[in-house]
Amino acid sequence: DIQMTQSPSSLSASVGDRVTITCQASQDISNFLNWYQQKPGKAPKLLIYDASNLETGVPSRFSGSGSGTDFTFTISSLQPEDIATYYCQQYDNLPLTFGGGTKVEIK
Amino acid sequence: EVQLVESGGGLVLPGGSLRLSCVVSGFTFTSYAMSWVRQAPGKGLEWVSAISGGGDDTYYTDSVKGRFTISRDNSKNTLYLQMDSLRAEDTAVYYCAKDATVLGANWFDPWGQGTLVTVSS
Repeated sequence: DIQMTQSPSSLSASVGDRVTITCQASQDISNFLNWYQQKPGKAPKLLIYDASNLETGVPSRFSGSGSGTDFTFTISSLQPEDIATYYCQQYDNLPLTFGGGTKVEIK
Repeated sequence: EVQLVESGGGLVLPGGSLRLSCVVSGFTFTSYAMSWVRQAPGKGLEWVSAISGGGDDTYYTDSVKGRFTISRDNSKNTLYLQMDSLRAEDTAVYYCAKDATVLGANWFDPWGQGTLVTVSS
């Protein structure tokens, strides 16, 4: 199975800050990497697919980059409504696997 | 508007069975694979199973192979997950999710609201 390692597991930042989350795959997954946002008590929501493609309707302050084994997810200017846990997910191989999540809080 | 509504969760004894359903609307059901993803209390996301749009191809994570069966009734726009020989470690919120393609195993958008399965004596 492909292991997805996310870091950090949690972070605290101020409104307006730039926030960066990394996701590392245990093997080359090309760009087969997606990012989701999960707010407390809610279902996950797709934000980024194929490493860098913004899902329709998602604010442009969210972005993703990377290929191979190393990926980055960025919120350019953190907003109060961005408080959530963020997950990466690979689909290069079955079983599909998720990173452990990054909980983002407001400082 | 695309909607996915799960049902069928509840409390079940270890070794017992449960069938989850997910009724969908707002898109052509047969054109998309579907998946089940679960989340244990306070934990991360775990993909469980997927089925292609026509229902011919199914996929499972190792921990549920031989115990869970995914299926779909395209005439009823409904996805199912039959769960047998349930274990305490199967306790989780189970989400159904629409895949990006007919063959499946890509990305999930959107997700249902989830249904809680609790396996306990």
